Amino acid sequence: SAVISQKPSRDICQRGTSLTIQCQVDSQVTMMFWYRQQPGQSLTLIATANQGSEATYESGFVIDKFPISRPNLTFSTLTVSNMSPEDSSIYLCSVAGGLGTGANVLTFGAGSRLTVL
Amino acid sequence: GESVGLHLPTLSVQEGDNSIINCAYSNSASDYFIWYKQESGKGPQFIIDIRSNMDKRQGQRVTVLLNKTVKHLSLQIAATQPGDSAVYFCAEPTMKTSYDKVIFGPGTSLSVIP
Repeated sequence: SAVISQKPSRDICQRGTSLTIQCQVDSQVTMMFWYRQQPGQSLTLIATANQGSEATYESGFVIDKFPISRPNLTFSTLTVSNMSPEDSSIYLCSVAGGLGTGANVLTFGAGSRLTVL
Repeated sequence: GESVGLHLPTLSVQEGDNSIINCAYSNSASDYFIWYKQESGKGPQFIIDIRSNMDKRQGQRVTVLLNKTVKHLSLQIAATQPGDSAVYFCAEPTMKTSYDKVIFGPGTSLSVIP
């Protein structure tokens, strides 16, 4: 399965600022998925990033708040804009095609833990 | 709407005992389920999966049972070890246009008592 590197692994940010999270995959993948995991909660899909087209956002997430770039088949960025304390979460990058019998088993990066003061 | 949920948010077991983590789903058309393990500071990792044409699948020390009649699946961990302490999620890929959106259940935190 793919190896995913995310950075930063963690950061403490001030209210009103923006932070860009980078996700690097060791192989070419068609789709990359960005998830949010709020403290003590499950994972919620933010958007799907397909190389060469605009990201597809899930209900409750908008491009102005979470702009995504996908410049090539191995890299993507997620920006958390105009942060507030409610954005304090772990942000996870993932790709499909991991272990298991299904093509859509996800492999995850270690996540980026953001704390907004 | 579609959802995948768990009965027990936390579970404490004695080292060496068996653990059972439960998960309910609402979409009767669901045909594939995945269990993930998330250790502290890490992303979720695949444990085992099961398709709806099966009611049981075994891995190394883990077994997943699927009861389609009541839309319930469980993850059984045999001889639980301290390294099994983690949050466990059941997940379900759903077909959506040209890609599969994966929905995660709320998770169960497993603590192993030495």
